[in-house]
Amino acid sequence: AQKITQTQPGMFVQEKEAVTLDCTYDTSDPSYGLFWYKQPSSGEMIFLIYQGSYDQQNATEGRYSLNFQKARKSANLVISASQLGDSAMYFCAMREGRSYNTDKLIFGTGTRLQVFP
Amino acid sequence: GAVVSQHPSWVICKSGTSVKIECRSLDFQATTMFWYRQFPKQSLMLMATSNEGSKATYEQGVEKDKFLINHASLTLSTLTVTSAHPEDSSFYICSASGGKPGANVLTFGAGSRLTVL
Repeated sequence: AQKITQTQPGMFVQEKEAVTLDCTYDTSDPSYGLFWYKQPSSGEMIFLIYQGSYDQQNATEGRYSLNFQKARKSANLVISASQLGDSAMYFCAMREGRSYNTDKLIFGTGTRLQVFP
Repeated sequence: GAVVSQHPSWVICKSGTSVKIECRSLDFQATTMFWYRQFPKQSLMLMATSNEGSKATYEQGVEKDKFLINHASLTLSTLTVTSAHPEDSSFYICSASGGKPGANVLTFGAGSRLTVL
């Protein structure tokens, strides 16, 4: 079974508008972490935001916020005030367990976001 | 801080030759490094987990003799693709833990694009 599901292969958004990228996950581990990474055409993986399974509040980092709905097992990324430079692939990822030293990241298939003027 | 350098960023080689890719943590000691593989327009797939001073742990389906991983120091892990063939052409990305004490974020290298002719 897919551990991380991103159902949107591609999304379009107009500059300055907000956009939501969907991510659902599947785990039986009560302790896990959810990540969003941005991958521009250059290939580097840029960390955007992190949400821990025990975090009470939704994570926010500047224009990025994570809509964490634990009961629905979803961790959607919201990008506010989109910019042309936001055009890239976006990956949702999950780490099961507490320790980032020993646990691996499992990635979704990604969503390609295109921001147009 | 927390920079991971990968070298080379791209390499072209003939079929049958071996290629070594280096992953260095520049300003921190990385006890664990992870090697991912990404085919065009696909997600990142974990190949192996590399721990300093011990044998790497490979994911199911990854050939240990094909993809040799060495983590001889706390700042360097290497991936050697032995007897490379065109189907090994891919984007290889490493990540390292330990960059930010107490943080949950893995630091990724910029990736290495391998093309086997």
